[in-house]
Amino acid sequence: SQTIHQWPATLVQPVGSPLSLECTVEGTSNPNLYWYRQAAGRGLQLLFYSIGIDQISSEVPQNLSASRPQDRQFILSSKKLLLSDSGFYLCAWSVVLAGSYEQYFGPGTRLTVT
Amino acid sequence: QKEVEQDPGPLSVPEGAIVSLNCTYSNSAFQYFMWYRQYSRKGPELLMYTYSSGNKEDGRFTAQVDKSSKYISLFIRDSQPSDSATYLCAMSYPQGAQKLVFGQGTRLTINP
Repeated sequence: SQTIHQWPATLVQPVGSPLSLECTVEGTSNPNLYWYRQAAGRGLQLLFYSIGIDQISSEVPQNLSASRPQDRQFILSSKKLLLSDSGFYLCAWSVVLAGSYEQYFGPGTRLTVT
Repeated sequence: QKEVEQDPGPLSVPEGAIVSLNCTYSNSAFQYFMWYRQYSRKGPELLMYTYSSGNKEDGRFTAQVDKSSKYISLFIRDSQPSDSATYLCAMSYPQGAQKLVFGQGTRLTINP
């Protein structure tokens, strides 16, 4: 069966510090991968998605970047965090199959920028 | 106008009640519809997935899609305190990256 991992689970970082969040998927090959941010009481905002190694698409202009160095690894980064980067970051994967559009989410990373 | 509208609630009902959660959407290109359940401080969990108009049942949960009205619903029968969570609707139109558009989520509390 497929499993998705995210770490760390929680993170408190000062403004201006760098960020690296990691997501890995087990039990599937060549998945689509996604990074979302969820602000308190809000829906999910898609930040980045990837259909393959080194193939990243950005959905909104922002202070963040993403990379996919391996098939099942997705990394979210920032060089200098802003207060507005605080939120709940979720990684998700989907299988590349015609007629299959559901996504499966990881446990999330709660980031607080102070 | 948002592509997907969902009443954020909060919604509070007694245990055993039938719960109805709803979303409306504006883009008729949406073809695939999902409901996710999210417990506090956890990632969303896929509950139901459907792509056709009509009803789909899974245990106490029924997903209903009306494409002509651009309206989807999730019904929970015999609601339990363990059903207390935020419920998110999501939908997708056929395209390569399989991107989803989410509703804001409805926060539901089932009171024992």
